[in-house]
Amino acid sequence: AQRVTQPEKLLSVFKGAPVELKCNYSYSGSPELFWYVQYSRQRLQLLLRHISRESIKGFTADLNKGETSFHLKKPFAQEEDSAMYYCALTQQAGSYQLTFGKGTKLSVIP
Amino acid sequence: GAGVSQSPSNKVTEKGKDVELRCDPISGHTALYWYRQSLGQGLEFLIYFQGNSAPDKSGLPSDRFSAERTGGSVSTLTIQRTQQEDSAVYLCASSSGTGGPYEQYFGPGTRLTVT
Repeated sequence: AQRVTQPEKLLSVFKGAPVELKCNYSYSGSPELFWYVQYSRQRLQLLLRHISRESIKGFTADLNKGETSFHLKKPFAQEEDSAMYYCALTQQAGSYQLTFGKGTKLSVIP
Repeated sequence: GAGVSQSPSNKVTEKGKDVELRCDPISGHTALYWYRQSLGQGLEFLIYFQGNSAPDKSGLPSDRFSAERTGGSVSTLTIQRTQQEDSAVYLCASSSGTGGPYEQYFGPGTRLTVT
């Protein structure tokens, strides 16, 4: 069975400090990994996906198949980064439903 | 353009009653998903519709849960004989295309409270 683990429920960092939100997964095939974000009073939205290899809002995430990890990183946190972050995976075939981690609440302290 | 919309935004119901939750996907999106977001379980997949294909119901937690998608557009999630453990935020998402895990666009959710 596929599973996504986000070990931190809450992560607090100071503005300007580096951020790393951890995500580990277990999946027998070749998954596609995503980070979704939910800002206060807004709907869940895609932040980035590993296949795109993009940097969105200064965030990057590298898929490490050996460690089965997909950690989200940003070198300098901003107050507007405060939000709930969910790591998710989907399979490469079938219904493509997302399996989510339980989320990490990022709080950036001014 | 308009995003995914859901109604109602909040629903309070008594234990044992039936409820219907509605989702309007983005126009032209062929795939529609329902998820449930609850305190203890996080975000869980419930059901998936793709065009005219048979839905993937593998995430429905019990036979009290059912969903329809009429005309390939609007979807209704029905919960019969609601229980307190059904209290959660129910999210709908839609995506375009087939043959790949495209970006899912989420609605604002319906917060269901069973008293």
